[in-house]
Amino acid sequence: GAVVSQHPSRVICKSGTSVKIECRSLDFQATTMFWYRQFPKKSLMLMATSNEGSKATYEQGVEKDKFLINHASLTLSTLTVTSAHPEDSSFYICSARGFLHNEQFFGPGTRLTVL
Amino acid sequence: KQEVTQIPAALSVPEGENLVLNCSFTDSAIYNLQWFRQDPGKGLTSLLLIQSSQREQTSGRLNASLDKSSGRSTLYIAASQPGDSATYLCAVGDSGNTPLVFGKGTRLSVIA
Repeated sequence: GAVVSQHPSRVICKSGTSVKIECRSLDFQATTMFWYRQFPKKSLMLMATSNEGSKATYEQGVEKDKFLINHASLTLSTLTVTSAHPEDSSFYICSARGFLHNEQFFGPGTRLTVL
Repeated sequence: KQEVTQIPAALSVPEGENLVLNCSFTDSAIYNLQWFRQDPGKGLTSLLLIQSSQREQTSGRLNASLDKSSGRSTLYIAASQPGDSATYLCAVGDSGNTPLVFGKGTRLSVIA
């Protein structure tokens, strides 16, 4: 199957700093990427849908000024957590939808810990 | 609004047993259905993708079926192994850019 990478895989930062997470589709182009967060032993929670070249669509309750999403190319989307606080600590996962059959592929996730 | 339900929520079986995981969805107007596997602290691995026009897909010891009209899919795992222990997620998608709708998953434990 197609490969989606995320970088970094793990990040620890101080409260108040900003953290950028990259999501790349390595061997296919994706017009649409999705960002999720997941708390321990809980289901995935969709944060936003990111379309290349346009503004992201955020789910209800997700602060767009706090979670900045940029989808500048067909293979790269970034999520920036601005002024991170301990409650932002979570597992963030991205996915990319390929053209073929609309299949969706997921990245390995990024573990964010805010001290 | 599409809703996806997975039963059971958790399952524990001895090694070697064949097992079935169930997924149901409320709106039969789907474009495709995907089964994923998630190991603790990891991302999701796509196992099988079934298009709405298909009845089943097979990959190794895995077989997924789809009955679109009744809103059901099953994932059959043959000769289960301890390495199959993970959470299995079912998700349905449409043909546009809307997100997949996920079930809450079935947590599988295969005991050696």
